[in-house]
Amino acid sequence: KAGVTQTPRYLIKTRGQQVTLSCSPISGHRSVSWYQQTPGQGLQFLFEYFSETQRNKGNFPGRFSGRQFSNSRSEMNVSTLELGDSALYLCASSLERPQPDKLFFGSGTQLSVL
Amino acid sequence: GENVEQHPSTLSVQEGDSAVIKCTYSDSASNYFPWYKQELGKGPQLIIDIRSNVGEKKDQRIAVTLNKTAKHFSLHITETQPEDSAVYFCAASTAGGTSYGKLTFGQGTILTVHP
Repeated sequence: KAGVTQTPRYLIKTRGQQVTLSCSPISGHRSVSWYQQTPGQGLQFLFEYFSETQRNKGNFPGRFSGRQFSNSRSEMNVSTLELGDSALYLCASSLERPQPDKLFFGSGTQLSVL
Repeated sequence: GENVEQHPSTLSVQEGDSAVIKCTYSDSASNYFPWYKQELGKGPQLIIDIRSNVGEKKDQRIAVTLNKTAKHFSLHITETQPEDSAVYFCAASTAGGTSYGKLTFGQGTILTVHP
């Protein structure tokens, strides 16, 4: 079974631009979560989607948004990029039952903001 | 909110030795504690997890122990091998509540196993 797939693998953007990252969950997984990983702050939760609905959100500004499609694929968008948005963005998927908190991560998208 | 502290930040061992990484958590409602291994250029990989109704869980060379009273849990790796070298993260969550998809992670431990 294929794992969580994230595209693109690397991105370079400039301040003020916006970016869209894509995530395809493991087949059969309907919950998708997004995390930001930086050397200073570690792994931080962004948001979670299930059945096209955002069920949970972390403490990030409104510039960070996401959505989920009917096939469970998800995208996250960051608008008006800032230098501090440079990070590895990780997507994770899980089965809703029996263990919804058992997360499986993709390899991430490395975003560099210049 | 939940806070997870992880120690040590770096750990260096000789091949064949044991390695122990410890984490403490603050929210007594947390009931799910996974451990992840992250290799360079890859995402975190779930290696073992434990729920609060269990005190210890083993999977071959790795084991996790949980002390709910003291709010701490530990990862034990025996007979370490060079391929165990990676960054290890502990995490905690409140499963079954409204914390959908949210794990609170420790800061990570860089484990180096010398041949």
